[in-house]
Formats: sequence, structure tokens, C-alpha cells
Amino acid sequence: GESVGLHLPTLSVQEGDNSIINCAYSNSASDYFIWYKQESGKGPQFIIDIRSNMDKRQGQRVTVLLNKTVKHLSLQIAATQPGDSAVYFCADRGGSNYKLTFGKGTLLTVNP
Amino acid sequence: DAGVIQSPRHEVTEMGQEVTLRCKPISGHDYLFWYRQTMMRGLELLIYFNNNVPIDDSGMPEDRFSAKMPNASFSTLKIQPSEPRDSAVYFCASRRPGGTEAFFGQGTRLTVV
Repeated sequence: GESVGLHLPTLSVQEGDNSIINCAYSNSASDYFIWYKQESGKGPQFIIDIRSNMDKRQGQRVTVLLNKTVKHLSLQIAATQPGDSAVYFCADRGGSNYKLTFGKGTLLTVNP
Repeated sequence: DAGVIQSPRHEVTEMGQEVTLRCKPISGHDYLFWYRQTMMRGLELLIYFNNNVPIDDSGMPEDRFSAKMPNASFSTLKIQPSEPRDSAVYFCASRRPGGTEAFFGQGTRLTVV
């Protein structure tokens, strides 16, 4: 079946640097994408979302970019902080299907 | 709002025993999802409900797994009999009408020995 996957399983950055987390998806019918952050011992927490009719969306210190041509999604975190250390998941909603399909996650470690 | 509430937070049981996981969605939300998370397979959707009705249970791994939603404020996921390979963190999530993002609970860490 179609799925959402990640290029990099781990990412280590220095505090203050920018982080980029990548995600590839395979379902061309996906119309909606979400990035979640999961801290140790907690459930996934919504960060930012983007619809397929957009290429870019910005939030507070985060930006999501969507490239539908190559079915690629990225999350950019500006001025990464130790509190950003977590596993980040991308998820997609395939067309009229209301359920989200999650990628396997990227572990982001921020070094002080 | 207290968010999605799951209980218990941790469950250790012996193989063959029945396990019941509980979830209270956010008030007013009409979608409820059960996910399982393991290191090997990541987050997998098991089943989801809309207005208390199961819509898609294709992710339920075996007949040993069953889920119910008797009312808008309560859902259970039951495993009978449990097996060691069921060990995972089970998440419940809910979504408001017309919404897109799912709000997750803290999860139940299940260990079957």
C-alpha cells in the first residue's frame, strides 16, 4: 500500500542552528499533510499543517515546504533550541480518506 | 479542556490475559482514532470511529483485537488473549467536527510478558 516515509532517521544539530527534516510520500491523492512532534513519554503533538494547494506555510519558528512534483515535504525549524529535541513525524491524508498515515519519524537532537 | 485521556498509562500483563485500554476523547470531537506505536513499525492506525460508529478497522491486526465506542465520551480497545508481540504504546486521538488535526492522548504502554 502507499505510505509516508522519511529520508533521515536521525538529525543532530547545534543549538541556534536551523534544522531541516525531510519526508517523502507516495500517495499522489494526498491533499493534506501534518507535522507532529513527539517528546519522550508523550503523545504526538501538532506542529503545523499544509494543504496540497499550497507550497509553503510558516508558523512560529517553523516552516513547511511541499513539493508535489517530487512528492516531498520538509519541516524547517529556525534557531533550534534544546526543547526542540524530539521525534518528528510527517503524516498525510489521502484524498477523501479521513485517516492519517504516519511516517516512521526522525529523531532530532539539539546539542547545547 | 483536559485533552484526550487514556488509562492506564502503563500495563504489564502475562501472555494469554485479557487487556482493556480506555480512552476519553476531547468533548465535542466526533472522530476517535486508535493507533499503535512500535520501534519497528512506527505509528499504525488500528481503527477509527465517527460519531461512535466504527468506520475503518482494516488496521486491526487480528481477531484478538476489538474496539468499541458505546458513547461519545468513551472508547475501549481490548486484546484477548494478549501475546508478547502486542507489546507497544497504544495511542488514542480525537478530532473535532470539520477539523483536520488529531489530538493525541499520552498513550498506554503495554508490556506482555
